[in-house]
Amino acid sequence: EDQVTQSPEALRLQEGESSSLNCSYTVSGLRGLFWYRQDPGKGPEFLFTLYSAGEEKEKERLKATLTKKESFLHITAPKPEDSATYLCAVTPRNYGQNFVFGPGTRLSVLP
Amino acid sequence: ETGVTQSPTHLIKTRGQQVTLRCSSQSGHNTVSWYQQALGQGPQFIFQYYREEENGRGNFPPRFSGLQFPNYSSELNVNALELDDSALYLCASHPGSLPNEQFFGPGTRLTVL
Repeated sequence: EDQVTQSPEALRLQEGESSSLNCSYTVSGLRGLFWYRQDPGKGPEFLFTLYSAGEEKEKERLKATLTKKESFLHITAPKPEDSATYLCAVTPRNYGQNFVFGPGTRLSVLP
Repeated sequence: ETGVTQSPTHLIKTRGQQVTLRCSSQSGHNTVSWYQQALGQGPQFIFQYYREEENGRGNFPPRFSGLQFPNYSSELNVNALELDDSALYLCASHPGSLPNEQFFGPGTRLTVL
């Protein structure tokens, strides 16, 4: 069964304290791995797509990496406005276009 | 370019009632997917529509049904509402049939009493 897990469940950082979020997946052939940011009560906002092991993408303070079993979202020198839930999702090769989402990591960045 | 929109924003229903949620896809996107997100959990795939046809379905009972219209907007219908149907319902769209990133609407918060 296709499955996505994320760790930690919640993370509190001081402003400027860099860290990484983990997304581990078990999937029958990976088409793509996606990172989203979700603010409370709102829809997920697209951040990155990764397609193959070794691929990296960067956007401002965020950097996403992908291996054959997991992905990391690295947050460098975070600011309070980076506080949100970060969701990881995969598109399995034989499951059409829909996503299998992980439960998310709730990030709080304190000033 | 207009993003994905959903209506209504919030909805309160009682157990056993029926509800219809609406979604307008982003301009140029002909594929729409619906997700259910319970509090504190990740979204769960309900079904997807591509060019007005259902193109995949998650593990949801038949009382969850949908439609896609020629302008690619979509509806999600839920019959015989249960308390556990209380959730944020998300609509997402993307163009074509390739594994592109999906763009989500703001969601409809459904509360079943």
